[in-house]
Amino acid sequence: EVVLEESGGGVVQPGGSLRLACAASGFIFSDYWIHWVRQVPGKGLVWVSRIKGDGSSTNYEASVRGRFTISRDNTKETLYLHMSSVRAEDTALYYCARERDYGPAEPFDLWGQGTMVTVSS
Amino acid sequence: DIQLTQSPSTLSASVGDTVIITCRASQSISRWLAWYQQKPGKAPKFLIYKASNLEGGVPSRFSGSGSETVFTLTISSLQPDDFATYYCQHYNTYSPTFGQGTKLEIK
Repeated sequence: EVVLEESGGGVVQPGGSLRLACAASGFIFSDYWIHWVRQVPGKGLVWVSRIKGDGSSTNYEASVRGRFTISRDNTKETLYLHMSSVRAEDTALYYCARERDYGPAEPFDLWGQGTMVTVSS
Repeated sequence: DIQLTQSPSTLSASVGDTVIITCRASQSISRWLAWYQQKPGKAPKFLIYKASNLEGGVPSRFSGSGSETVFTLTISSLQPDDFATYYCQHYNTYSPTFGQGTKLEIK
C-alpha cells in the first residue's frame, strides 16, 4: 500500500522549535518531489515547502523561509520539516504530499493524514 | 506570485443537481491547474490535472475546463458523496498555490 504518514506535531512555545517527520512506504521514495502543505483548521490549504527526490533542491513559502528547513533521508524513506522561531500563525495541520512523477512539475497525488502543530505559551 | 480566486465560497445544492465552481488566476497559467476534493477530517483527494484531465478512478460526473486565467470544475448529477470542499491549485511552479476553497453543501 502506498502511504505517507506524518508525525512529530504537538504544542510548542512561540520562538521554539519542532521537527515534523513524514514516513513513506509502498513506492520508490527517492524518485519523487515531496511537499509540505499546511491548513489552519477550518481554513484553506497553504503550500509550505518542497524538496527534490535526491534532496538537491528545495523551495519555501515566503513566510517560512529562513525559519523552516525541509530535508529528507532516502535511506529511511522519511521527509522532515524542521521548524524554528515558530509563531502563532504557524499553528496548523501539516500535511506531506507527493508530487506526481509524470513531468517537471505536477500536482499532488498522495497525501498523508496530517500532524497538528499548535504554537502557544 | 500568482493568486487563485475561487467562486462561490459556498454553494448549496441538492442531490442530482449540476454545479459549477470557478477558479480565476491573477495571470495566465496556461492549463497548469489541478482540482482537489477535501472532506472534513480528511486529507485532500486529487481529482483533475492540466485543467481537464481526470485522475484515474475519479467518477466521470466530474469535469474540468478552462485555460489561461479562468477555469471551472463541473460536477454533474451530484451524489451524496460529493458534498465536500473543493480547491483549485496552480502547479508547474516553484511555489504552488491553492485557491481559498469552495464548500459544497447540501441544500
